[in-house]
Amino acid sequence: GAGVSQSPSNKVTEKGKDVELRCDPISGHTALYWYRQSLGQGLEFLIYFQGNSAPDKSGLPSDRFSAERTGGSVSTLTIQRTQQEDSAVYLCASSPSGGKSGANVLTFGAGSRLTVL
Amino acid sequence: AQKITQTQPGMFVQEKEAVTLDCTYDTSDQSYGLFWYKQPSSGEMIFLIYQGSYDEQNATEGRYSLNFQKARKSANLVISASQLGDSAMYFCAMREGSMGRRALTFGSGTRLQVQP
Repeated sequence: GAGVSQSPSNKVTEKGKDVELRCDPISGHTALYWYRQSLGQGLEFLIYFQGNSAPDKSGLPSDRFSAERTGGSVSTLTIQRTQQEDSAVYLCASSPSGGKSGANVLTFGAGSRLTVL
Repeated sequence: AQKITQTQPGMFVQEKEAVTLDCTYDTSDQSYGLFWYKQPSSGEMIFLIYQGSYDEQNATEGRYSLNFQKARKSANLVISASQLGDSAMYFCAMREGSMGRRALTFGSGTRLQVQP
């Protein structure tokens, strides 16, 4: 598509429930990133997919968080047994990669706002 | 240690004046890239400007320029002729290593308010 698409745009859930957030990157972008942004804060790196390489999961805050990317395109971020501190905006971004340039600019989606009651 | 430090939580500037937003970084890599993003109240992240560690000239994009001082590990964003629409959060970010195969690390941001 023309841009990075995320769904749902808003999700309200009860503590303890599981949630799935979806990201559809720009067609042809091989790199996909998930970040989390709490209210008024900076962006916290969660996970990074690059082509067929093993994902960089170093930013996932706990084993309740997982993500997959099927067919090198769409990605799903799953949060199990949600807690109130999981409330945040979850941002997905994609970028082209390869070549020798480090200037692979990330294009962000509009985010999924998660509220855990 | 923080990879990216933005020491100004908030800044005010008068319309039509220039403003500098500070960013310092910490890396042991020789090859890295520095980015600035703008986040208006709508929440979207908008790419502004990029500087590579081997670039000899400071990057410029319209009213945006990056004051890159490699020895001091600083990459300050300069916005000239501020406009009301420049009011937003501004994030500095770094990608370490070559080949662009790493995730970006973001600073905590600076909230800029442009006053008429």
